Amino acid sequence: NAGVTQTPKFRVLKTGQSMTLLCAQDMNHEYMYWYRQDPGMGLRLIHYSVGEGTTAKGEVPDGYNVSRLKKQNFLLGLESAAPSQTSVYFCASRPGTHGYTFGSGTRLTVV
Amino acid sequence: GESVGLHLPTLSVQEGDNSIINCAYSNSASDYFIWYKQESGKGPQFIIDIRSNMDKRQGQRVTVLLNKTVKHLSLQIAATQPGDSAVYFCAEKATSYDKVIFGPGTSLSVIP
Repeated sequence: NAGVTQTPKFRVLKTGQSMTLLCAQDMNHEYMYWYRQDPGMGLRLIHYSVGEGTTAKGEVPDGYNVSRLKKQNFLLGLESAAPSQTSVYFCASRPGTHGYTFGSGTRLTVV
Repeated sequence: GESVGLHLPTLSVQEGDNSIINCAYSNSASDYFIWYKQESGKGPQFIIDIRSNMDKRQGQRVTVLLNKTVKHLSLQIAATQPGDSAVYFCAEKATSYDKVIFGPGTSLSVIP
């Protein structure tokens, strides 16, 4: 039981490049979330999903897209990376009740 | 809009002392509250939670107090240890919402 696994752990992108961050959970959780965390700030919700095949926007969705084709996976895409997207990205999942289980994060730098 | 905030952004305590981290929330519809601990370079980790039908809940060395009258939440850590040094986030959720709202975090430093 690995919990929530994020790949990759680190990535450096050039402005304008695209990439996909993968989040996988093996707990059969319905809900999954992508957050970004910037220095001195809390967690800001980018997108989330309440079940397989569903996605919804969070607080800061611009510049990102997501897909939840399989219940266990939640993908976060950056179509054209910008320096403002330099951040640490956290994925989380939860069952119908109770709190989140977080992944260990992906540190993304856009130069 | 709703928000969750912390009174103190940083807190330094002596090893062995008790720590109290405070949190204010503004959404009166919130009925579930959670405390997370985030160590450097790691993801947030669940510590303890409490539902709105309770005023107090205890875990191992931690206690969460909820005052719904003034919309205030606190985390008490007994006999604080160096391993408790981290950023602590409070979070709130309403039953009707699909997502949890996080506060900005408090950095706890334990002085040996």
